[in-house]
Amino acid sequence: DAGVTQSPTHLIKTRGQQVTLRCSPKSGHDTVSWYQQALGQGPQFIFQYYEEEERQRGNFPDRFSGHQFPNYSSELNVNALLLGDSALYLCASSSLWTGQANYGYTFGSGTRLTVV
Amino acid sequence: AQKVTQAQTEISVVEKEDVTLDCVYETRDTTYYLFWYKQPPSGELVFLIRRNSFDEQNEISGRYSWNFQKSTSSFNFTITASQVVDSAVYFCALSERSGGYQKVTFGIGTKLQVIP
Repeated sequence: DAGVTQSPTHLIKTRGQQVTLRCSPKSGHDTVSWYQQALGQGPQFIFQYYEEEERQRGNFPDRFSGHQFPNYSSELNVNALLLGDSALYLCASSSLWTGQANYGYTFGSGTRLTVV
Repeated sequence: AQKVTQAQTEISVVEKEDVTLDCVYETRDTTYYLFWYKQPPSGELVFLIRRNSFDEQNEISGRYSWNFQKSTSSFNFTITASQVVDSAVYFCALSERSGGYQKVTFGIGTKLQVIP
């Protein structure tokens, strides 16, 4: 049973460019969440997708956008990259919370984005 | 708003020593989940334990044990007889239902170094 798959593993971009990161959720999971983890910090919630719609969003600017496809996979897009966007971007999949059926997150290994 | 505090940013212990990682959380919800994750140098977040707010029983899994106390809003993690392979960053996290969807807030992490 495959876990969460993220691609690419590493990426170097120039300030001002745009980037797209990809995530395939764990089999059986229908919800995808994205996190940004700056060096020495805990993961910060960016947004969450369910049924191809953004359901929740953290305190990130509109330069950060996403998409979820019918097969539950997801993309994270960042426009007009800044040096401060350099971080590890983690994707987590889960099943929609229903009552107390919280299955927790399964995380991918992340994409290390460096903006130069 | 939910909040997770890990006051210890870095801990060093000598192999075979016991070590406790502290976690204090804040939430207004009565139903929530607490997690511990391990992040080795490779970057992925490895799930260690999930505890719901209605279950205050302590749990032991091999050399790992967790102490959940609602009265002090703490969820501490103890590693007994530490090993070099335990060296990693450990994150405590709090999950709440937000608008029907799960939202997870992470602490800043505690970097544990086990010295041989």
